[in-house]
Amino acid sequence: EAGVAQSPRYKIIEKRQSVAFWCNPISGHATLYWYQQILGQGPKLLIQFQNNGVVDDSQLPKDRFSAERLKGVDSTLKIQPAKLEDSAVYLCASRHQGTGDADTQYFGPGTRLTVL
Amino acid sequence: RKEVEQDPGPFNVPEGATVAFNCTYSNSASQSFFWYRQDCRKEPKLLMSVYSSGNEDGRFTAQLNRASQYISLLIRDSKLSDSATYLCVVTPFSGGYNKLIFGAGTRLAVHP
Repeated sequence: EAGVAQSPRYKIIEKRQSVAFWCNPISGHATLYWYQQILGQGPKLLIQFQNNGVVDDSQLPKDRFSAERLKGVDSTLKIQPAKLEDSAVYLCASRHQGTGDADTQYFGPGTRLTVL
Repeated sequence: RKEVEQDPGPFNVPEGATVAFNCTYSNSASQSFFWYRQDCRKEPKLLMSVYSSGNEDGRFTAQLNRASQYISLLIRDSKLSDSATYLCVVTPFSGGYNKLIFGAGTRLAVHP
């Protein structure tokens, strides 16, 4: 079974530029998550989708970050404009079950963003 | 106060040693508990779930104390391949949806 795919793997941009990340979850997984992991910290949830609807975006900086999952499969996360403190690894994860028990989340390899 | 707190380490231990990691969580309504492992520059992967009765998977033993809001992970007979960061993870009550709250992780380095 193919895992969670993410691209690009690495991205270097200057502050105030825009950037977009792409995620393709495991086939059939209804729930998709975007996490931000700053160096030395654990992953922090940015946004959670159930199919193509947003379940939780309470920690998403909405003035600069946006995410969509239009057809309930692939998802994109965008930052516009980027700040120095956005330098982090952006992890996408997916899960099979929609609600209820804490089923396993499977993580993609992440996109390492450096903002100069 | 952070929702999930861990000793950042690093823990430097020789092969064969027994090492224990501790974790505390602030939300008493938290429902599920896990240990994830993250190798350097890799994604987190589920190591094991943690149950109230305690559970074991080979050399790994996890314990949960709900009254103290405390989770532990014990690794026996450490191997070089155990070198990684161990992330304590809880699922808060969030309307039925699975939301993971990660600690900052404890780094383990096993040396020959």
